[in-house]
Amino acid sequence: EAGVAQSPRYKIIEKRQSVAFWCNPISGHATLYWYQQILGQGPKLLIQFQNNGVVDDSQLPKDRFSAERLKGVDSTLKIQPAKLEDSAVYLCASSLVRGMNTEAFFGQGTRLTVV
Amino acid sequence: AQTVTQSQPEMSVQEAETVTLSCTYDTSESNYYLFWYKQPPSRQMILVIRQEAYKQQNATENRFSVNFQKAAKSFSLKISDSQLGDTAMYFCAFILYAYSGAGSYQLTFGKGTKLSVIP
Repeated sequence: EAGVAQSPRYKIIEKRQSVAFWCNPISGHATLYWYQQILGQGPKLLIQFQNNGVVDDSQLPKDRFSAERLKGVDSTLKIQPAKLEDSAVYLCASSLVRGMNTEAFFGQGTRLTVV
Repeated sequence: AQTVTQSQPEMSVQEAETVTLSCTYDTSESNYYLFWYKQPPSRQMILVIRQEAYKQQNATENRFSVNFQKAAKSFSLKISDSQLGDTAMYFCAFILYAYSGAGSYQLTFGKGTKLSVIP
């Protein structure tokens, strides 16, 4: 079974530039998550999709971050404009269904450096 | 607010020995699941073990076991017969159901413990 695919693996941009990350979840997984992991901290949920609808985006900085999941499969996360504090690893995860006992499968993440 | 505290930023253990990673959490909910995730240098988070809050019996997965103390809100991970491949960041996390809005299952992570297994 193929895992969660993310690209790019690394990205370096200057502040005020824009950047986009792509995620392809495991086939058939209805739920998709984007997490932000700042160095030295645990992942923090940014947004959660159920199929192509947003379930929870309460921690997404909506003035600069946006995300979409067209057709309930692939997803993109965009930052525009980027700030220095956005430097982090952005993790995508997916799960078969929503639930407490549902295992989330993670991709390898995109390491973003804003200079 | 839901919080997870891992008080040991770094730990080391000799190969083949046993090590215990500590975790405490805070929530007013009674129904939730607890997890330990492993994050090797490749950055991919991997589920190690999970525990349902309603189950008193501690979960076990091969060399990994937990000590779940619900009243104390403590959830420690024991790794027996440590192997070099166990070297990684370990994150304690719990999930509960948030009733606000459309409702979501929110997974909250601690800051992690960096475990080094020494040959």
